[in-house]
Amino acid sequence: DQQVKQNSPSLSVQEGRISILNCDYTNSMFDYFLWYKKYPAEGPTFLISISSIKDKNEDGRFTVFLNKSAKHLSLHIVPSQPGDSAVYFCAAKGLGSARQLTFGSGTQLTVLP
Amino acid sequence: NAGVTQTPKFQVLKTGQSMTLQCAQDMNHNSMYWYRQDPGMGLRLIYYSASEGTTDKGEVPNGYNVSRLNKREFSLRLESAAPSQTSVYFCASSEVANTEAFFGQGTRLTVV
Repeated sequence: DQQVKQNSPSLSVQEGRISILNCDYTNSMFDYFLWYKKYPAEGPTFLISISSIKDKNEDGRFTVFLNKSAKHLSLHIVPSQPGDSAVYFCAAKGLGSARQLTFGSGTQLTVLP
Repeated sequence: NAGVTQTPKFQVLKTGQSMTLQCAQDMNHNSMYWYRQDPGMGLRLIYYSASEGTTDKGEVPNGYNVSRLNKREFSLRLESAAPSQTSVYFCASSEVANTEAFFGQGTRLTVV
């Protein structure tokens, strides 16, 4: 039973346009959410995070939105660049039984020049 | 500034062989994790250690054992390797709750 779900295995966008990656979660104990980026043959690297007390967090071209009532978060990349092509993982953690960092299955983003 | 270091980077084992994957972090983090990555499955937690002296099972612990040797080091052992354990293994570490985890470069393991 996947507690963190990324339903789109892949996404292609044109350079300069917006990329929107989506993530859904089921465990209401999660209170901290993260996005990681992964290039082939490398470990995942942290991109941006958001606490459940917020509904938006921005860092340069990257913005994460959290909708707690829908148990949904999204990552917006504006403008998208070819170097953004990678696998993006959504992850979540919380207290008690949810304290382990749980990942989604990832979305392969391809930014076309 | 090494961060999280995993050894080895690549390994081929025969079914039934044993081996230990090593992980060390130099960030003085309390928590350490072992994940495996398989196509279409994302990163699945094998074991984690919330602090020195404690270890807990994750989502897919069967066939593995771990040792939190000290605050820096967290090893993963396969006692009798099986082809189903062919995967890419990642070690990670983090400070207390609600901070990001830092990952090593991964170990690509093939069991034949």
